[in-house]
Amino acid sequence: NAGVTQTPKFQVLKTGQSMTLQCAQDMNHNSMYWYRQDPGMGLRLIYYSASEGTTDKGEVPNGYNVSRLNKREFSLRLESAAPSQTSVYFCASRQGAQETQYFGPGTRLLVL
Amino acid sequence: QKEVEQNSGPLSVPEGAIASLNCTYSDRGSQSFFWYRQYSGKSPELIMFIYSNGDKEDGRFTAQLNKASQYVSLLIRDSQPSDSATYLCAVVGNQGGKLIFGQGTELSVKP
Repeated sequence: NAGVTQTPKFQVLKTGQSMTLQCAQDMNHNSMYWYRQDPGMGLRLIYYSASEGTTDKGEVPNGYNVSRLNKREFSLRLESAAPSQTSVYFCASRQGAQETQYFGPGTRLLVL
Repeated sequence: QKEVEQNSGPLSVPEGAIASLNCTYSDRGSQSFFWYRQYSGKSPELIMFIYSNGDKEDGRFTAQLNKASQYVSLLIRDSQPSDSATYLCAVVGNQGGKLIFGQGTELSVKP
């Protein structure tokens, strides 16, 4: 059981480049989440998917898009990266609203 | 007012002491409360969750919930240097059941 996996682990982009962060979970969870974590800001929700086929904006969605490809996979896309998107990105999943949320290992993104 | 607030610290305690971490939340309808620990450079990992008023104990950790006062706390007894980490409080909000995180409290346990 790998839990929640994320790729890549680390990425450097130039301003304006695009990239997709991949996330997969093998726990058969319904809900999946993308967060960013910046010093002193805690975890901020970017987008989430309460179930397969649905996605909703979180607290800081601007500059990002998501795709819930199937129940296992939830990707985050940066169409035109900006230095303000330099952050650590965490994917997470859980079965239901009252259930424990599990996190992936994170992706460190640096935008120059 | 932030939905979930924590004192960012750092909180420094000597080895063997009790560390007390506090969290307040604004949504009176919140039902579920979680404490995560995050070591530097790592992802958050669950320590405890609590749903009902009162105390819940798990080894050296005790979570306390007071819904009337809208606060939840985490006590760590016999603190060890390995407990040095950032502790994140999280609350399931009423809007779509999303987990809302506080900014975290950095704990440092000195040998």
